[in-house]
Parts: sequence; C-alpha cells; structure tokens
Amino acid sequence: QKEVEQNSGPLSVPEGAIASLNCTYSDRGSQSFFWYRQYSGKSPELIMSIYSNGDKEDGRFTAQLNKASQYVSLLIRDSQPSDSATYLCAVNWDRGSTLGRLYFGRGTQLTVWP
Amino acid sequence: SAVISQKPSRDICQRGTSLTIQCQVDSQVTMMFWYRQQPGQSLTLIATANQGSEATYESGFVIDKFPISRPNLTFSTLTVSNMSPEDSSIYLCSVSSTDTQYFGPGTRLTVL
Repeated sequence: QKEVEQNSGPLSVPEGAIASLNCTYSDRGSQSFFWYRQYSGKSPELIMSIYSNGDKEDGRFTAQLNKASQYVSLLIRDSQPSDSATYLCAVNWDRGSTLGRLYFGRGTQLTVWP
Repeated sequence: SAVISQKPSRDICQRGTSLTIQCQVDSQVTMMFWYRQQPGQSLTLIATANQGSEATYESGFVIDKFPISRPNLTFSTLTVSNMSPEDSSIYLCSVSSTDTQYFGPGTRLTVL
C-alpha cells in the first residue's frame, strides 16, 4: 500500500515568515519526490522536485529529503500572499527513464496573510 | 514543457449515463495518466494509458467503469460509465517527460 501523508493544516503564516510543509511516505523503494502547488480551481503545477538526501534550493523554496526517515519537506521563505494555495506532496515509485506514476498526499492549505 | 488540452472543460450529466473526456498533447509523449480529484480531496491515480495496449488500472479502479483509449502518442480518452453522483469530480490527464509530470486543465464533472 503506497501511502503519502501530509500535515493537513490549514497552515496560516504572516507575510515574510517561513512556511514549513511536511510529508511522509510509506515505501522505502520510493524513487523521487515532488511538491506541487494548486490554486483553487486550477490544475497542479510543479514547484520542486528532489531525488537525493539533503536540501535542494530554488529561489524562496527549499525541499528537504531524508530517505532513512521517509520524510520530505518544503520550506517557503519570505512567504507572500501569492503563495496562498494548496501544496501537494507527490511520490514516484516507478523506475525508468521517464517519470512514472505519482501518488499524492491530501495536501496542505497555506494562507499567507498581509 | 508539454501543452495539454482537455475536452469538455466541464459537464453536468444524469446518473446512469456515460461521458467521454478527451486529452490532447502538443507533442508525442510516452507516459500518459488519468487522475481523479474529488471535492476537497487530493489527486488519485486512476490508470496509466498505454499506447497500443490496455490501460493499467490502480487498485479500486476497473476497466468496465473507466475505459481508456490511447490510439497514439498525443491523444487519450477516459470514459466514466454508468455514472452516479459519487463520480462527481475533476478528472485530469497528465503526461511525463524525463523528470516532470504536467497536468491538463481538468474536466469538472457533476452527476445529478
């Protein structure tokens, strides 16, 4: 059973603060990990991917992966009201040259207030 | 990045009927998937649409309820058969590149 768990929130932070989103997964065979952002009424858009243990930074976003603990997180620095959305953690278990099936957590709703 | 379109964008259907959703990609892709997002929920993978062969369904989804076609590398259809109100969801197709999966705009289905 492939399970992906997220702190369901909602999470509310003031503008300029750091938002921390967490995700755990059930299968140690997991290959790659993704954070998607979904605005209300829109389809998900990829904001971060991470494949190896450690941190990966992209602008205000930092993804952290700890495979031993089966844990992946997303930090958003200097949060802006435009970051208000639902953040979905997704895990890929398939091996191959093309990205395979994704399994999603329930999402964490983030609100950044001015 | 891939540009994905879906038709229809939304529909309201009567229970017991069927609806076919189309997904068109602007380039040839190997991997295509269909997901469902029920109201207030996350995305659940329905199946992998395989070109030239039967789709691969996830646990809890069956071909009789969700038949899928994939006639070529740029197009797929998902049919929601014998619909009930529980099928009211957003249905999304997605395609994969080497390391990214892109999602279509979705089809919002309401079953009365």
